[in-house]
Amino acid sequence: DVKVTQSSRYLVKRTGEKVFLECVQDMDHENMFWYRQDPGLGLRLIYFSYDVKMKEKGDIPEGYSVSREKKERFSLILESASTNQTSMYLCASSTGDRHTGELFFGEGSRLTVL
Amino acid sequence: GQNIDQPTEMTATEGAIVQINCTYQTSGFNGLFWYQQHAGEAPTFLSYNVLDGLEEKGRFSSFLSRSKGYSYLLLKELQMKDSASYLCAYMDSNYQLIWGAGTKLIIKP
Repeated sequence: DVKVTQSSRYLVKRTGEKVFLECVQDMDHENMFWYRQDPGLGLRLIYFSYDVKMKEKGDIPEGYSVSREKKERFSLILESASTNQTSMYLCASSTGDRHTGELFFGEGSRLTVL
Repeated sequence: GQNIDQPTEMTATEGAIVQINCTYQTSGFNGLFWYQQHAGEAPTFLSYNVLDGLEEKGRFSSFLSRSKGYSYLLLKELQMKDSASYLCAYMDSNYQLIWGAGTKLIIKP
C-alpha cells in the first residue's frame, strides 16, 4: 500500500523557533510537495521537488525552506516560526510523470505557533 | 485569490444523490481533479477529467465542460461514510494544481 508518513501530527512551537517537518514516502516517487491548508482557502503550494537535491518554489515560499537529500524524504523547515505560520501542513508525492495530478498525501502536521 | 470556486457546505440525505459544482477560470488547462478528505485525514484522489463529458466510477461520477469552465462531482446512493470535504482542483499550464477551498458535505440519516 502507498504510504506517505509525516513525522508529527501535532506540534506547538514558540515564535522564533526553528521547526522541522519531515515527510517520508515508500513508493519510490520522484515528485514530492509541501502544501499548507487553511480554513476557507484551497491548498497552497509552498515548495516542490522533482528529484533528489532539486527544489522549486511554489506559490508561498516566503518564510520556508526545504531539503531533499534522499529520494524518499522531503523536509520542510521554518527558520524562524511566526504566528501566521500556524496551519495544517500536508506533504504529498506523485510518480515520475510530473504532469500527473494524482497525488498521495500524508495525514498532515498541525502546527501551532504561539 | 485563486479563480476556482465551489460551495462551502452542502447537506444531503442518506440514500439520495448530490451534485457538487466547481467553476474555474484559466487560460491554460491540463485537467480537473476531485479529491475526498475526511475530517482529520489525508486527501485522497477520486477522479480526473481532461476531456469534456462524464466519467463514472461506481457511485461517483465526475463531469467536465471545458468551454464553460465547469465541473461537477455526482455522488449517488449516499452513505454516511460519504460525509467529508470534497476538493476540486485544476491543473494549470505549468502543470501545477490550483485548488478550490473545498465543499463540506454533511449526510443526514
